[in-house]
Amino acid sequence: QKEVEQNSGPLSVPEGAIASLNCTYSDRVSQSFFWYRQYSGKSPELIMSIYSNGDKEDGRFTAQLNKASQYVSLLIRDSQPSDSATYLCAVWGLRAGNMLTFGGGTRLMVKP
Amino acid sequence: NAGVTQTPKFQVLKTGQSMTLQCAQDMNHNSMYWYRQDPGMGLRLIYYSASEGTTDKGEVPNGYNVSRLNKREFSLRLESAAPSQTSVYFCASREGGIYNEQFFGPGTRLTVL
Repeated sequence: QKEVEQNSGPLSVPEGAIASLNCTYSDRVSQSFFWYRQYSGKSPELIMSIYSNGDKEDGRFTAQLNKASQYVSLLIRDSQPSDSATYLCAVWGLRAGNMLTFGGGTRLMVKP
Repeated sequence: NAGVTQTPKFQVLKTGQSMTLQCAQDMNHNSMYWYRQDPGMGLRLIYYSASEGTTDKGEVPNGYNVSRLNKREFSLRLESAAPSQTSVYFCASREGGIYNEQFFGPGTRLTVL
């Protein structure tokens, strides 16, 4: 089992719909979780972080964390074509040392 | 404030050639990282440096060496490049602790013929 798992996609949603991106991780002691967006040919950029169980909202983005189920998700409301990118889930605390462990990413396609 | 910078942006090497990828950050972060990203493989950690003067292997260190020259700079060296090292290389930096964001450089696209 991979330490951080994401469905590679592509996940295709129509413009204006809600996109739901999921991530599971292997160890309950993990403490913090990050969602990065990566456009084709560009470097990853942080869009959300979450540390406590529950929901965290920032504009059209909502991160959800359930530590008991070892599950973190990202919802994108009112999806726009500009949201088309690969979304990487990252977890801090899975390994010794100050490092994030990344999932393989989910490619999102928002169709006009 | 430039964040994380990498040079070069693109490089083509022949098998057996050597080169060094340069990375610098101006955010005074203690930790720095080198990743490679291949299609369908996600980001894989090559080496990291938790603090100035220390380096440790990541998931895929074979064929690479690193130097943490000072707090700002962390270089990645390919001693004898192989076609399997064709990839996009990202440098990143992060302050310690559980809450801090990791910042990425723009990447180096390396092709080994």
